[in-house]
Amino acid sequence: ETGVTQTPRHLVMGMTNKKSLKCEQHLGHNAMYWYKQSAKKPLELMFVYSLEERVENNSVPSRFSPECPNSSHLFLHLHTLQPEDSALYLCASSPEKLTAYEQYFGPGTRLTVT
Amino acid sequence: GQQLNQSPQSMFIQEGEDVSMNCTSSSIFNTWLWYKQDPGEGPVLLIALYKAGELTSNGRLTAQFGITRKDSFLNISASIPSDVGIYFCAGQLRGSGGSYIPTFGRGTSLIVHP
Repeated sequence: ETGVTQTPRHLVMGMTNKKSLKCEQHLGHNAMYWYKQSAKKPLELMFVYSLEERVENNSVPSRFSPECPNSSHLFLHLHTLQPEDSALYLCASSPEKLTAYEQYFGPGTRLTVT
Repeated sequence: GQQLNQSPQSMFIQEGEDVSMNCTSSSIFNTWLWYKQDPGEGPVLLIALYKAGELTSNGRLTAQFGITRKDSFLNISASIPSDVGIYFCAGQLRGSGGSYIPTFGRGTSLIVHP
């Protein structure tokens, strides 16, 4: 138990569906992240929310839409996804420190797009 | 964007053997982090390195931040079956907005035979 929870753990959706992934952190951190993990590829950073800024990976399609209502909650809204979007989606949080951000990951949501 | 070369991709070793893996980059990083991911779970932080040349241990794990700031290695001594998993390196740079942006390696898959 890392203090970062994600729901649902598994999700199967059709290409016309709309769904949302939820992440919650209980660590008092100030930054939250969404990552995509596909087989044989490095972890891909999608979005970062921190007190200082929101950072987007410009290669992430607009069918992925993040929302961060407060420092403890992070959502990833999904709509009209493609089969290649099937992957493990990981949420992470980190304390903001002057030297670095050490990310603490949730267990992930295994997404399958049919 | 920045890329990390992590090697080896996979290792098959006998219990009790020592393990070494490394990451190299063409660019410098401010921080190096090492994570381990078990099946069905998110990565867990093992060691964080903040200064060039720094050598840090965590139990049987030892990691070093290369003096050029372009590489890092992780050693595991006297491996045991529970060391099985995928090990990731991550280099971090501070972005223009102040947030630290991580870049992950592709991972080293470790299998330990009893």
